[in-house]
Amino acid sequence: DIQMTQSPSTLSASVGDRITITCRASENIVSLLAWVQQKPGKAPKLLIYDASSLQSGVPSRFSGSGSGTEFTLTISSLQPDDFATYYCQQYNSDSPTFGQGTKVEIK
Amino acid sequence: DVHLVESGGGLVKPGESLRLSCAASGFTFSSYSMNWVRQAPGKGLEWVSSISASSNYIYYADSVKGRFTISRDNAKNSVYMQMNSLRTEDTAVYYCARAAFCTKGVCYPRTKIFDSWGQGTLVTVSS
Repeated sequence: DIQMTQSPSTLSASVGDRITITCRASENIVSLLAWVQQKPGKAPKLLIYDASSLQSGVPSRFSGSGSGTEFTLTISSLQPDDFATYYCQQYNSDSPTFGQGTKVEIK
Repeated sequence: DVHLVESGGGLVKPGESLRLSCAASGFTFSSYSMNWVRQAPGKGLEWVSSISASSNYIYYADSVKGRFTISRDNAKNSVYMQMNSLRTEDTAVYYCARAAFCTKGVCYPRTKIFDSWGQGTLVTVSS
């Protein structure tokens, strides 16, 4: 299976901050990467697909970049609703795999 | 609006079986691949299984292969997961997820991009 490694595991930030989360794949996944957001007790929500395409309805402060094995999710100006856990997910193989998650906390 | 509702979770003993259901509405169910993704308590997300729109292609995670069986009934807009020989490590919230992406308000089938999720159903395996 393709291993996905996110960093950092936890990120403390303030409203208005620009934050970046990194995701590394154990092998080349081209641009077949998604980012999802999950709040406690809730189902995940798709934010980004194909590494940089914004899912319909997702605010433009979210952006994704990267290809091959290294990817980033950026939130340009953190809002109160953005404090959550974020997962990257590869879908280059028949067995999709997720990163371990990055929890974004209030500083 | 896309609506996915899981049911069938509960408390079972190791070695027992359980059947999960996911009822879909708000979209043309027969056009989309469907998936099960699980999350153990306090842990991350783990993809479990996928089934293509016409059931031609079925995939499983190694952790459940040979024990779980995914199926769907397009006439009933439902997808199922038969779980046999359950283990304590199968304890998790099980989510049903549609495979698609949406751009400019229009959604398109796309395998293994999980764009819509149900609220989940909890499966607890314990003696």
